[in-house]
Amino acid sequence: QQQVKQSPQSLIVQKGGISIINCAYENTAFDYFPWYQQFPGKGPALLIAIRPDVSEKKEGRFTISFNKSAKQFSLHIMDSQPGDSATYFCAASGDNFNKFYFGSGTKLNVKP
Amino acid sequence: GAGVSQSPSNKVTEKGKDVELRCDPISGHTALYWYRQRLGQGLEFLIYFQGNSAPDKSGLPSDRFSAERTGESVSTLTIQRTQQEDSAVYLCASSLVGQTPLHFGNGTRLTVT
Repeated sequence: QQQVKQSPQSLIVQKGGISIINCAYENTAFDYFPWYQQFPGKGPALLIAIRPDVSEKKEGRFTISFNKSAKQFSLHIMDSQPGDSATYFCAASGDNFNKFYFGSGTKLNVKP
Repeated sequence: GAGVSQSPSNKVTEKGKDVELRCDPISGHTALYWYRQRLGQGLEFLIYFQGNSAPDKSGLPSDRFSAERTGESVSTLTIQRTQQEDSAVYLCASSLVGQTPLHFGNGTRLTVT
């Protein structure tokens, strides 16, 4: 059973546009929701994360929106740039971070 | 300081051979994870080490897979009698226990021919 479902699988956005990636989870015990960014040939790196006690967190051009009742969260990349082209993974964790469950990934291509 | 180091970066092996993948976590990180990433797919949890506690092996796909960790340092993931479906990137990550983020290595790309 997939703990975290992510969509879309791929996304093409024009430079300056908004990229939106969505994730949904089932386990209400999850209490930490990070997003990771992965460039080809590299391991994933933490981009931004949120706890369920807030509905939104913004860091620069990156925003996480969190809907606890719907068990959904999303990543918004404002003013998308070609350098943002990468694969993005959402994840969820509980139980004091003993295990992280990752979504299937979204390959983002920002066209210049 | 240095990040998570994995070796080899690439490994090509013949079906049926055993392989050993190595992970050097960040110094002081007591939590260590192994994930598998098949081409174009997400990260599949394999195993988790936390200090001296018994490892969480719930993600290991078969008894051909095993992993060890020496104290709070190096970990090795061993795949016996490799199969073509084992071809993937194997990622190691470490963190301070009970804290984030996970720090990932660049992975070992395993190709079974």
